[in-house]
Amino acid sequence: GEDVEQSLFLSVREGDSSVINCTYTDSSSTYLYWYKQEPGAGLQLLTYIFSNMDMKQDQRLTVLLNKKDKHLSLRIADTQTGDSAIYFCAEKAGANNLFFGTGTRLTVIP
Amino acid sequence: GAGVSQSPSNKVTEKGKDVELRCDPISGHTALYWYRQSLGQGLEFLIYFQGNSAPDKSGLPSDRFSAERTGGSVSTLTIQRTQQEDSAVYLCASSFSVGGRADGDEQFFGPGTRLTVL
Repeated sequence: GEDVEQSLFLSVREGDSSVINCTYTDSSSTYLYWYKQEPGAGLQLLTYIFSNMDMKQDQRLTVLLNKKDKHLSLRIADTQTGDSAIYFCAEKAGANNLFFGTGTRLTVIP
Repeated sequence: GAGVSQSPSNKVTEKGKDVELRCDPISGHTALYWYRQSLGQGLEFLIYFQGNSAPDKSGLPSDRFSAERTGGSVSTLTIQRTQQEDSAVYLCASSFSVGGRADGDEQFFGPGTRLTVL
């Protein structure tokens, strides 16, 4: 079955760049997503990338996709304390449901 | 409201009791999804609905879990004879459509129901 893996924790200093990594197993994935979950809140879609793309940029966010290695990353430039949250990588391999990683807890140190 | 809502926000129950969790999707969204988020684990897909039917029930962990959706809107997830391992946050999401859209069929998530089984 599908397996999406992420490291559990990441700490960065305010103003630095954060890079959150994700690996997945299903080569037939059509879309890959990054979601953000703040404490006590639901998941919020940050960005997504179609599997035939290798990069997508959206303001401070840059998504890189290496389809050969099945590796996805999310770079947050100029990380702020408000970026502290859990970030989930997810893949859409079938028609509908998403397969999520364990989430990476990003802590931004002032 | 404009977003997905879930109730109750917190539920504490005793082992062996039945619980019912409710999800109100965004109006007009045809697809509805249930996920479970356990401590230290990712989100686990449980079931999704297209309209009132559930083509994929493969994620339900056991036959104690069931879900229904009526009128293409509200959905309830029922857990019978709850066990301590059922303790988790249960998340509901909805999307406008299912599959095939170029923009990825964004799923909008509710805040979740935190279930604690004592």
